[in-house]
Amino acid sequence: EFVLTQSPGTLSLSPGEEATLSCRASQSVSGRFLAWFQHKPGQAPRLLVYDASTRATGIPDRFSGSGSGTDFTLTISRLEPEDFALYYCQHYGTSPYTFGQGTKLEIK
Amino acid sequence: QVTLKESGPALVKPTQTLTLTCTLSGFSVSDNGVRVSWFRQPPGKALEWLARFDWDDDKVYRPSLQTRLTISKDTSKNQVVLTLTDMDPVDTGTYYCARSGYGIYRFFDLWGRGTLVTVSS
Repeated sequence: EFVLTQSPGTLSLSPGEEATLSCRASQSVSGRFLAWFQHKPGQAPRLLVYDASTRATGIPDRFSGSGSGTDFTLTISRLEPEDFALYYCQHYGTSPYTFGQGTKLEIK
Repeated sequence: QVTLKESGPALVKPTQTLTLTCTLSGFSVSDNGVRVSWFRQPPGKALEWLARFDWDDDKVYRPSLQTRLTISKDTSKNQVVLTLTDMDPVDTGTYYCARSGYGIYRFFDLWGRGTLVTVSS
């Protein structure tokens, strides 16, 4: 089973700054089946990026994903107030699908 | 509008069986290539995938919970149903259902808001 390790656990930034979130896999992610989600309390998780770097429908271009193999990054440029939330990476190539423990992006 | 919505009891007692329903709108689990999965998130912990139901009636379970889980569909109500037997306080958490596809579309593109389940006597 894949283990995904996200860092940092908490990231404190100000609106307008750039956020860099990391996700490291315990083994190589075949097919680049790696996704990033945004999650706010009481809301449905929101798919941001799939296949490591493809933005989901309706996602602003300030969100970008990159990486391959075992190291993946979500970059959020020009942070907006609504971007402060929890972010998870997920491997979805084969079951059991696994998630990282999350990065909390908070306002500094 | 394409949505998923979870429903079920907020409180169950230890040893009881939990039954959760995921109601689909705007699509059907019988549509070609559609998959619906259940996940859960215990308080303060990571999301955990539980089970998947496919358009062709194939079912896949988390190995560690396979003996306790059953996933099924109710076509007349356009629902995917999850049962988890022998509930324990460690099963407390928010339970979500989500849609994915097949092949290159296997990512989870649509989720419900979740339903909180507490296991306590």
